Parts: sequence; C-alpha cells; structure tokens
Amino acid sequence: SFELTQPPSVSVSPGQTASITCSGDTLRYKYCSWYQQKAGQSPVLVIYQDTKRPSGIAARFSGSNSGGTATLTISGTQAMDEGHYYCQAWDSDTGVVFGGGTELTVL
Amino acid sequence: QVQLQESGPGLVKPSQTLSLTCTVSGASISSGGYYWSWIRLHPGKGLEWIGYIYYSGTIYYNPSLKSRISISVDTSKNQISLRVSSVTAADTAVYYCARARVGSSYYDSSTHYFDYWGQGTLVTVSS
Repeated sequence: SFELTQPPSVSVSPGQTASITCSGDTLRYKYCSWYQQKAGQSPVLVIYQDTKRPSGIAARFSGSNSGGTATLTISGTQAMDEGHYYCQAWDSDTGVVFGGGTELTVL
Repeated sequence: QVQLQESGPGLVKPSQTLSLTCTVSGASISSGGYYWSWIRLHPGKGLEWIGYIYYSGTIYYNPSLKSRISISVDTSKNQISLRVSSVTAADTAVYYCARARVGSSYYDSSTHYFDYWGQGTLVTVSS
C-alpha cells in the first residue's frame, strides 16, 4: 500500500528557513498537500497541489515535489509557526494517505 | 464562511458502536462539488482518513477500516454521520469532519485535499 514518510521532528531558529520533507514510492506522480496543526486546534491547509497556497496563508510557506520527495519550506520562520505538519496525497488503491507528521520547533 | 461541527458521545465502551454527526453551516451539502469526509487523529500519532461521502450517497472508505465503518448523509439536515462498530481502545482518537476538494471524479488524481475542518471531538473507548 502507498505510504508517506516524514521526519518526526525538525528544529529551526527564528528567522531561518525550515524544510520539512515527505517521501513516498510514487509520490513524484501524485499531488501533495500540507496541513499545519497547532496544539489544541484543527489542521489548517497551507499548501495544496504541491505548490499552491490557499487564500490567507502567509507567503513564507511554499511547497515543491520532485524526485519522489515533497518539501514544505517555511522562510523566515516565526515562533507562531510551531506545531505539527502533515503531508497528504491520494492513491487509487489506498485512498487518502497522510504522512506520520513532523513536529516543528522554533528554538 | 463554511463551518463544520462534530457531535456525539465522548465515551464508548469496547465492542460497542461509535456514532458521530457533523453539521455543516455556510454551505449546502446538496449543492455538490465537494466530498465530505471523516478523519481521525490518534493520541501521539498521525492523521488517518476514514472515508468520503458525496451528497448523492456515493461513498469511498479507507480499505483498512472498511469492514467496521459506515458513513451516511442527510441533506435535509445538512449533516453527515459516522458509525464505527466493534470499537477497541485503538479507536480512541479525535474525530474530525472536513470538506474535501476532489477533481472531476474520485479517480481524478489531480485534486484531493481538505479545505475546511471541524474543531474535532475526542472519543475515548474505555469500559
């Protein structure tokens, strides 16, 4: 079955760039979305269709998908960006699949 | 603005059936164009997709859960519902309903993402 793999945690200093990866066997042929979930809140869509940013999402969030790895990049990371981030894709056999999640810490 | 609100018991006994309802406001389920979904977050773990339903009643389930779950829609109440049978401690989770943007059909791989989520409801399975 189709699976997505994320690093459990990523740390970044304020103002620096954070990169969160998501890998999957056939991910290069699929579209990836990303969700941010802060403590006690519901997930929020921050990137869809690999690179698109929904209305209201800060421009410092960007996405890419190449060579089997999708990447969420947060430029000029702020303390408010702390939380868990999940990648998500769809597979014709498995349906909707989420990565295990990455906890972003802004030190 | 689209809002989703989950409701249901917070505690269910093992082997019983978990039942939740999601009420949608700010959008009409029967207008079409979107699938409506259940997703859960296990404590200390990640998100798990449970299934989709369209206003017409077309349903797609997570294959790993298919034998125990049932999703339904009531367009007159603008609600979707979830039932999970024979629950165990492994079903303890925060359950979310969400609106899904899907392409021209379920098998259109270009578009499958969730743009609105409910606040979630914690369901604990315990005797």
